Amino acid sequence: GNSVTQMEGPVTLSEEAFLTINCTYTATGYPSLFWYVQYPGEGLQLLLKATKADDKGSNKGFEATYRKETTSFHLEKGSVQVSDSAVYFCALNNAGNMLTFGGGTRLMVKP
Amino acid sequence: NAGVTQTPKFQVLKTGQSMTLQCAQDMNHEYMSWYRQDPGMGLRLIHYSVGAGITDQGEVPNGYNVSRSTTEDFPLRLLSAAPSQTSVYFCASSYSIAGFTDTQYFGPGTRLTVL
Repeated sequence: GNSVTQMEGPVTLSEEAFLTINCTYTATGYPSLFWYVQYPGEGLQLLLKATKADDKGSNKGFEATYRKETTSFHLEKGSVQVSDSAVYFCALNNAGNMLTFGGGTRLMVKP
Repeated sequence: NAGVTQTPKFQVLKTGQSMTLQCAQDMNHEYMSWYRQDPGMGLRLIHYSVGAGITDQGEVPNGYNVSRSTTEDFPLRLLSAAPSQTSVYFCASSYSIAGFTDTQYFGPGTRLTVL
């Protein structure tokens, strides 16, 4: 079956630090990959996505590259801000109607 | 556009009570779904629908019922609430193209506590 594994949090960084949140997946075929972000007290919103191998998704300074050879979709940002504090979810959709989510990684950015 | 709306925001039930969580979307999306979010477990799919009159089970359907009589609405019913159903519930919707869902849009969630 499909599964997504994320690094456990919380991840605590100082403002302007470099961020990496690891995500690896297990799936047959060629899934689409997503990063969703959940700010405190809110629902999830799409941060970025990639639909095929070697695609790079990007938004708001965040980037992730679809690496089929390592089955990974790591999230990166060069300089985090306090406003980036949130929970980040990696997810996949394997040519169907279901999103499979990782457990989420809480990011805390301190001034 | 209001997007995806959910009511209520908070609810406390006693074991054995029933209730319906409401979800509506105004984006004319074919696909709608319900997830529950528990600490450390991400979101797990409860039920989903690919159009009016069509529903199917997700990963954790037991204890929940759904129906889809209109494109806009997708209520989730708890027939006899149990403490294990204490969770945050999210509704989501998206376009469905040839059976493949695109980006999902989430509602703000309903926090349910079952005593």
